[in-house]
Amino acid sequence: ILNVEQSPQSLHVQEGDSTNFTCSFPSSNFYALHWYRWETAKSPEALFVMTLNGDEKKKGRISATLNTKEGYSYLYIKGSQPEDSATYLCALQGGSARQLTFGSGTQLTVLP
Amino acid sequence: DSGVTQTPKHLITATGQRVTLRCSPRSGDLSVYWYQQSLDQGLQFLIQYYNGEERAKGNILERFSAQQFPDLHSELNLSSLELGDSALYFCASSVGGALSYEQYFGPGTRLTVT
Repeated sequence: ILNVEQSPQSLHVQEGDSTNFTCSFPSSNFYALHWYRWETAKSPEALFVMTLNGDEKKKGRISATLNTKEGYSYLYIKGSQPEDSATYLCALQGGSARQLTFGSGTQLTVLP
Repeated sequence: DSGVTQTPKHLITATGQRVTLRCSPRSGDLSVYWYQQSLDQGLQFLIQYYNGEERAKGNILERFSAQQFPDLHSELNLSSLELGDSALYFCASSVGGALSYEQYFGPGTRLTVT
């Protein structure tokens, strides 16, 4: 059974601030780690997939790192904008179906 | 737009009833996953199909069943509905196979049981 914890649960930042959130997991026995961005009334949107310890991915102002030895992944947003407001979900991929086990998410609100 | 479609978007029904949720995967994807998002829980894996065959079950109740048809669309059937079944139901698709990582999510069906 994969266990995924995300912190903080919610976060309010000012426009222009940089921020980061954490996804932690007790076991490295998984196939891949995913980050999704989920806006209300929309589909969760895939941001990154990481598989190897030390992986770093970047897309514009958003980046992510993976440390399987210490059991965490960070998601960073540089210069937050109001359109970054969303819930950011971390998920571990594993199991016979390679299904996703999700954390409860971090709800980010960027204030203009 | 992920390319995954789900219908209907919203569904309101009474306890004891039965409903069917439909999902069409992205073109070329063979694998379909169903997930449930309840108020008090995160997204939970229910069941997976690959090329028409059931591959794995998660936290799916016996009152729920699913199938994947030859054209690869999938249906999730929920019967004897209870208030606690009210949730957002997502379908996700992937290419499938050993090198398949990404899962693409549909917009979800919001089910309200009254």
